[in-house]
Amino acid sequence: ETGVTQSPTHLIKTRGQQVTLRCSSQSGHNTVSWYQQALGQGPQFIFQYYREEENGRGNFPPRFSGLQFPNYSSELNVNALELDDSALYLCASSLEREGYEQYFGPGTRLTVT
Amino acid sequence: AQKVTQAQTEISVVEKEDVTLDCVYETRDTTYYLFWYKQPPSGELVFLIRRNSFDEQNEISGRYSWNFQKSTSSFNFTITASQVVDSAVYFCALSEAGRGSTLGRLYFGRGTQLTVWP
Repeated sequence: ETGVTQSPTHLIKTRGQQVTLRCSSQSGHNTVSWYQQALGQGPQFIFQYYREEENGRGNFPPRFSGLQFPNYSSELNVNALELDDSALYLCASSLEREGYEQYFGPGTRLTVT
Repeated sequence: AQKVTQAQTEISVVEKEDVTLDCVYETRDTTYYLFWYKQPPSGELVFLIRRNSFDEQNEISGRYSWNFQKSTSSFNFTITASQVVDSAVYFCALSEAGRGSTLGRLYFGRGTQLTVWP
């Protein structure tokens, strides 16, 4: 158990809809990162939040957005869902940005039909 | 450019065999960190080990051992006397710490599916 939780576990949405995924970080961790993992692939970095500010973004369009709250929990929002957004979404928290291992949650499996 | 390469897509062994998972990385930063994660069928990524670029000392932890060689940009992982419970996808990952890098961002390889048969 990493202490990182995510909700919901599974989600089915229709193309064009919007979705919000939630993550609760491990206690004391100020950095949260979100990753998208397509079937059979390694996780791809979406973005990172550090002390409530977006700290870096991967190669994802602006319809992927996020928030980090004062208690360091986090949200990932995806607008105008596309079929290719179907994936496992993982959040990870770490004590600091540099050099620390990231602890991953169990993920949210999103299916877009 | 791909930063982490795991050339082995799938490996199958019989229980008690030793198995080595290969990882080759690419970076221009002098300070960086390397990781191994395990992803069992449940889907959650489990942290196994972290190494920084200044620490080439190899490590053994129980049945696991790691071989970090900067000269060949490799960070290989060996399981000794494999067990059925070791069956999972194993990911090697890189985090860069140079100027302009997103600190903490992980670049993952495509993973190696390890199957251990009884």
